[in-house]
Amino acid sequence: AQTVTQSQPEMSVQEAETVTLSCTYDTSESNYYLFWYKQPPSRQMILVIRQEAYKQQNATENRFSVNFQKAAKSFSLKISDSQLGDTAMYFCAFTLGGGADGLTFGKGTHLIIQP
Amino acid sequence: DAGVIQSPRHEVTEMGQEVTLRCKPISGHDYLFWYRQTMMRGLELLIYFNNNVPIDDSGMPEDRFSAKMPNASFSTLKIQPSEPRDSAVYFCASSLAGTRAFFGPGTRLTVL
Repeated sequence: AQTVTQSQPEMSVQEAETVTLSCTYDTSESNYYLFWYKQPPSRQMILVIRQEAYKQQNATENRFSVNFQKAAKSFSLKISDSQLGDTAMYFCAFTLGGGADGLTFGKGTHLIIQP
Repeated sequence: DAGVIQSPRHEVTEMGQEVTLRCKPISGHDYLFWYRQTMMRGLELLIYFNNNVPIDDSGMPEDRFSAKMPNASFSTLKIQPSEPRDSAVYFCASSLAGTRAFFGPGTRLTVL
């Protein structure tokens, strides 16, 4: 069974700073997909970024980028120029089958952006 | 598209009552997932369907829980009888194979 670990229950940074959220996972498979989801107080699950394991290039989406280290089974999320609206729970998730398999989630990191 | 639709958004019921949660996936999606979110256990996959057929229900906690997908545009998650420990947010998500999953807004269930 796959596991996902987020070791930072809560983080707090000042607005405009850069913050990195950590995620490690465990799997014996070589092909899989990794995601970061954002959950604001509205509880809606919002996809932030997605990474396919077979792609060596790290995914980026505007201010959001990942550092994918396949050998180390590490998948961190970097948020640049953080904004107040980035305050939310962030969940790292893993799946073998892209959209064709269920997601295994980490416990989440509560990110607080201070004004 | 309206996205994944869940109803009700909030449900308060008493222990022992039957609870039915509903989900309408995005049109054309062939996978449907039910997740549960609690403070203690986080987000857990309960069951998922492919083309209306249940594929993996190993996450369903016990026999009190059941899920159906009678057609491509509707699914239900039923709890009978409900217990206070079932209190959680239940999410439905849908996807097209090989792409990302889209989540509904969730149903907050409180069992008194």
